[in-house]
Amino acid sequence: QVQLQQSGAELAKPGSSVKISCKASGYTFTSYYISWIKQTTGQGLEYIGYINTGSGGTNYNEKFKGKATLTVDKSSSTAFMQLSSLTPDDSAVYYCARFGYNPYVMDAWGQGASVTVSS
Amino acid sequence: DIQMTQSPASLSASLGETVTIECRASEDIYSNLAWYQQKPGNSPQLLIYDANSLADGVPSRFSGSGSGTQYSLKINSLQSEDVASYFCQQYNNYPPTFGAGTKLELK
Repeated sequence: QVQLQQSGAELAKPGSSVKISCKASGYTFTSYYISWIKQTTGQGLEYIGYINTGSGGTNYNEKFKGKATLTVDKSSSTAFMQLSSLTPDDSAVYYCARFGYNPYVMDAWGQGASVTVSS
Repeated sequence: DIQMTQSPASLSASLGETVTIECRASEDIYSNLAWYQQKPGNSPQLLIYDANSLADGVPSRFSGSGSGTQYSLKINSLQSEDVASYFCQQYNNYPPTFGAGTKLELK
């Protein structure tokens, strides 16, 4: 069955970086793009951007340019998101999700990775 | 970015009841709208796409409708497993944007 398995919770200091992984299984990895979404209690769900898992091409929401960097390792069917220059506002649950034929319709999601930024 | 306004923010209903959740877009999104269900402690799951198409495995008591800027999600014969938050999402313009969510509880 389709699965997106994300890495575990992160506790990070302000100014540092974290890298979250999203390992896909149960389907042909390069047939679907991977999106990343941020969820907080205050701001709800925010779309960060996506990566073309075949070419590595990316498209970011303007709001997250310079904050998030999306990469992919086709050999391990894994997508990554690095968050840099962390501030408390980056504390959130981050999801990866795939979309395919219907752009931005996300039909499978990871379980989420919690990031807490605190000194 | 397109703003998605969802209502109500919370809803309490009885088992077997029919509930409706509304979503209004700040401009025409040409039925490029999805609905997701998020149960407590879980990730969102796709329910509806293209405003009225049921995603694979979703019970037929869920339905979507609407056009232009106004959309709705209807749940017929509410079941206990439907207790969740529901989010709309437009994908007509980039970036995709989400409604703030509707929390559905049992009365």
